[in-house]
Amino acid sequence: GENVEQHPSTLSVQEGDSAVIKCTYSDSASNYFPWYKQELGKRPQLIIDIRSNVGEKKDQRIAVTLNKTAKHFSLHITETQPEDSAVYFCAAHSYSSASKIIFGSGTRLSIRP
Amino acid sequence: DTAVSQTPKYLVTQMGNDKSIKCEQNLGHDTMYWYKQDSKKFLKIMFSYNNKELIINETVPNRFSPKSPDKAHLNLHINSLELGDSAVYFCASSPQGTIQETQYFGPGTRLLVL
Repeated sequence: GENVEQHPSTLSVQEGDSAVIKCTYSDSASNYFPWYKQELGKRPQLIIDIRSNVGEKKDQRIAVTLNKTAKHFSLHITETQPEDSAVYFCAAHSYSSASKIIFGSGTRLSIRP
Repeated sequence: DTAVSQTPKYLVTQMGNDKSIKCEQNLGHDTMYWYKQDSKKFLKIMFSYNNKELIINETVPNRFSPKSPDKAHLNLHINSLELGDSAVYFCASSPQGTIQETQYFGPGTRLLVL
């Protein structure tokens, strides 16, 4: 089955700097990679996703990159702001796992003022 | 107009008790899920139902029994609660349960077993 590893587990960056979170996956059949953000005490919410037919996707200050050969994908947040502080989860979804999304272990991002 | 709702929000109970958590979605989705989030924030799927039929049943103790009376509701009943059951339980839904769909999470139920 699919296994998703996420690094780092915690990340602290200065406000205005960039943050990068990396994930690797094991199932080469995986073809959909969403990222969820979970603010303290709240529910996880999708912030961006990428499909296997593209290598990069950007939405304002957030971008995701995907390297299918190496089976890794990353989340990039530029010009970080205090409201970016949260736990971020990467995930992978493949045909071989039916409708099951496998989540990474999460990265707690803190933005220092 | 909450999309995915859960009750109760907080649940504090003694070991050995039986409790239920309810989930409802008004998005018209066919598929619903239960996730467990432990103290380390790890999100793990427990069950998935598509149009009232069980699709995913992970390695979960049989003290946990999901019930879907209709496709808009997925409840979770837990028998003989144990300390290790303490966690946040999230319900979620997606349109059809196929790949490349966004999952919409409920607000979570914080269960504390004493």
